[in-house]
Amino acid sequence: AQTVTQSQPEMSVQEAETVTLSCTYDTSESDYYLFWYKQPPSRQMILVIRQEAYKQQNATENRFSVNFQKAAKSFSLKISDSQLGDAAMYFCAYRTPYSGNTPLVFGKGTRLSVIA
Amino acid sequence: GAGVSQSPSNKVTEKGKDVELRCDPISGHTALYWYRQSLGQGLEFLIYFQGNSAPDKSGLPSDRFSAERTGGSVSTLTIQRTQQEDSAVYLCASSTRTGTNEQYFGPGTRLTVT
Repeated sequence: AQTVTQSQPEMSVQEAETVTLSCTYDTSESDYYLFWYKQPPSRQMILVIRQEAYKQQNATENRFSVNFQKAAKSFSLKISDSQLGDAAMYFCAYRTPYSGNTPLVFGKGTRLSVIA
Repeated sequence: GAGVSQSPSNKVTEKGKDVELRCDPISGHTALYWYRQSLGQGLEFLIYFQGNSAPDKSGLPSDRFSAERTGGSVSTLTIQRTQQEDSAVYLCASSTRTGTNEQYFGPGTRLTVT
């Protein structure tokens, strides 16, 4: 079974600085999707960024980018120019792209604090 | 358009009582998922529905948990004879069958069993 590990339960960053959240996963599949979700205190899960495993280019969404290392099974999230609104729980997730839909496998999350 | 909605937002119940949690997916989404988020844990998959196919119940933790989806839309998660370890946030998500099948989440129901 696939597993996702986030080794940093908590992280903090100064406003306007850069922070990197770590994620590793274990799978025997060659094709899959990886995601980072943000969960603010409102509990609403928000998709931050996605990466298709067959794409070598790292995904980028504005201030958010990933470092995808397929051989190492590593998928870290970099947040640049951190803002107070970035404070939240961040979850790394994995999904196998079978035809149709499959559930997400989540890590346990990293709580990010942003210091003004 | 409207996102995924869930009700109630919060539910407090006594141990041993049954509870029903409701999820309204995004209109037209064929897939619907239930996840459980216990304190300090990530999201744990419970069950998912895909169109008219039989649901994947492989994540349900015990036979006290069940779910149905009526008319391919609204879903109800039922927990019978609730236990204190059932206390958690229950999140629902829906997705289409095309593209990357991105899952859109509702705001969740926080269940507290006293």
